[in-house]
Amino acid sequence: KAGVTQTPRYLIKTRGQQVTLSCSPISGHRSVSWYQQTPGQGLQFLFEYFSETQRNKGNFPGRFSGRQFSNSRSEMNVSTLELGDSALYLCASSWRGVELFFGEGSRLTVL
Amino acid sequence: QQQVKQSPQSLIVQKGGIPIINCAYENTAFDYFPWYQQFPGKGPALLIAIRPDVSEKKEGRFTISFNKSAKQFSLHIMDSQPGDSATYFCAATTNTGNQFYFGTGTSLTVIP
Repeated sequence: KAGVTQTPRYLIKTRGQQVTLSCSPISGHRSVSWYQQTPGQGLQFLFEYFSETQRNKGNFPGRFSGRQFSNSRSEMNVSTLELGDSALYLCASSWRGVELFFGEGSRLTVL
Repeated sequence: QQQVKQSPQSLIVQKGGIPIINCAYENTAFDYFPWYQQFPGKGPALLIAIRPDVSEKKEGRFTISFNKSAKQFSLHIMDSQPGDSATYFCAATTNTGNQFYFGTGTSLTVIP
């Protein structure tokens, strides 16, 4: 069974640009959540989707948004990038909401 | 506000030692406490998890101790090996399971 796939793995953007990250969950998993990982801060929750509905949202500005498609694939978008948005963005899928299966992440660098 | 507080930030032990990582929480609605292991360049992977109705859970060389009254839980790694060198995260969630709160991570180095 294929794991969680995130694309792209690495990307470099400049301040003010926007970025879209993609996540393909494990087949059969309908819940997809996104986390931001930075040194010293651990993993911070961004949002969680289940069957195309956002069920929960973390404490991030409105520049961070996401969506989930009918095939459970998910995207997150960050608009008007700031230097502080540089981080590893992790996607996790879950079947029963108990065990999270993480992808390898998308490492975003904002210059 | 960090809902799950983790310590220490880093830990160095000799092979065969027993590193201990501690976590504390405040929200009594949390009812599932997993530990994740992350190697460089990889996403976190579930290592072991516990629910508050038991005080200890053991899987292989990994043990979680849980103190419900103190709202603390810890990970013990028995007979640690260099291959255990990784970053460990504790986490907590409620019965909805749609948001996990993670600690800030502990970087473990096991010296051969």
